[in-house]
Amino acid sequence: DTAVSQTPKYLVTQMGNDKSIKCEQNLGHDTMYWYKQDSKKFLKIMFSYNNKELIINETVPNRFSPKSPDKAHLNLHINSLELGDSAVYFCASSRTTREKLFFGSGTQLSVL
Amino acid sequence: GESVGLHLPTLSVQEGDNSIINCAYSNSASDYFIWYKQESGKGPQFIIDIRSNMDKRQGQRVTVLLNKTVKHLSLQIAATQPGDSAVYFCAENTQDSGTYKYIFGTGTRLKVLA
Repeated sequence: DTAVSQTPKYLVTQMGNDKSIKCEQNLGHDTMYWYKQDSKKFLKIMFSYNNKELIINETVPNRFSPKSPDKAHLNLHINSLELGDSAVYFCASSRTTREKLFFGSGTQLSVL
Repeated sequence: GESVGLHLPTLSVQEGDNSIINCAYSNSASDYFIWYKQESGKGPQFIIDIRSNMDKRQGQRVTVLLNKTVKHLSLQIAATQPGDSAVYFCAENTQDSGTYKYIFGTGTRLKVLA
């Protein structure tokens, strides 16, 4: 009964392809996030949504497009994948922007 | 400004010893801080948090200390066990352009030696 679940766990694809990662939380939280973790383990916020509205967009290339169909779901679509997009992407949620984050188990994206 | 991860520091401790992991945060106006533990292949997990009206908070085998004067946070783990081996991150909840977000520190890898 996972609180924040994201799929797929692993994603291997060629440069130039388009791919999506899905995230769902069953915690009833209002706020959801996408974080990127690089090879040095550094965690950087990409996007944040509050009640389906985008509230943070951290100068991420517009090849990345988040979509929140409802407040329990936040998906990430990536167009024209580049080698530098290889990383682990984490979805997270919190009750509000001032409360602790709950993370999914991550999606390891490898662009070849 | 935000932390930039240049490398991942490693702390090696003997099983049974106490561990102290340090973190410098960036914004003196940040008022809520969290420590996360990330095991290999998993997402970060909440360990303990502290608000800026406190200097110290204790959990089970863990203590967080906050020094607002020098913008420093530490995590102390008592009687470190093999299961404590992981990467540990501090996170500060900070206001930016009218909303709040978390900025994560660079992380510290804790290795527990048998």
